[in-house]
Amino acid sequence: NAGVTQTPKFRILKIGQSMTLQCTQDMNHNYMYWYRQDPGMGLKLIYYSVGAGITDKGEVPNGYNVSRSTTEDFPLRLELAAPSQTSVYFCASSPGTSAPARNEQFFGPGTRLTVL
Amino acid sequence: DAKTTQPPSMDCAEGRAANLPCNHSTISGNEYVYWYRQIHSQGPQYIIHGLKNNETNEMASLIITEDRKSSTLILPHATLRDTAVYYCIVRGRGGGATNKLIFGTGTLLAVQP
Repeated sequence: NAGVTQTPKFRILKIGQSMTLQCTQDMNHNYMYWYRQDPGMGLKLIYYSVGAGITDKGEVPNGYNVSRSTTEDFPLRLELAAPSQTSVYFCASSPGTSAPARNEQFFGPGTRLTVL
Repeated sequence: DAKTTQPPSMDCAEGRAANLPCNHSTISGNEYVYWYRQIHSQGPQYIIHGLKNNETNEMASLIITEDRKSSTLILPHATLRDTAVYYCIVRGRGGGATNKLIFGTGTLLAVQP
């Protein structure tokens, strides 16, 4: 299994441009998440999904959109890039069981985005 | 989710045990303690979790106090590759919104040769 893969690894955008960060997982996990991490800070949840067709906002959703048309893919869309969106973006997935099991989140390698 | 408090940084000599503390005094009865770590520039990695009993796996041990208001992550024989930021996270069981991880700023563990 490749686990959670993210593309691109790096990207530089100009203010006002748009782009989509791709995330794919091959573990058949129900739950997927997008986080952003600013320098020296912990991760903040942007959006999450509990299954295909179902998404919900996290702590910092403004300026972003998501969709979940398949179990495997969870793309993150930036419509009008702003310098405040300069960050490292991590995608994660988890089985999503309601049992008190390990239910750990598996993270991708991240996308480093700079908006100038 | 209960808030956690961790020291910002710690040092440990290579080969010695690293003991990372975490305070979670407002934890509720059905909330678990999770530990993740983040090696520089990589995505976070799950280490261990527990409810009220001490837990051990191939990576670490987790000691939770009887009143559950604090815990300690123990890396028994730290190596240079254990240098990372360690996050202590408290969250409820189950799926949906309760499966969210609320990351603080964690503890930067520096393992010295």
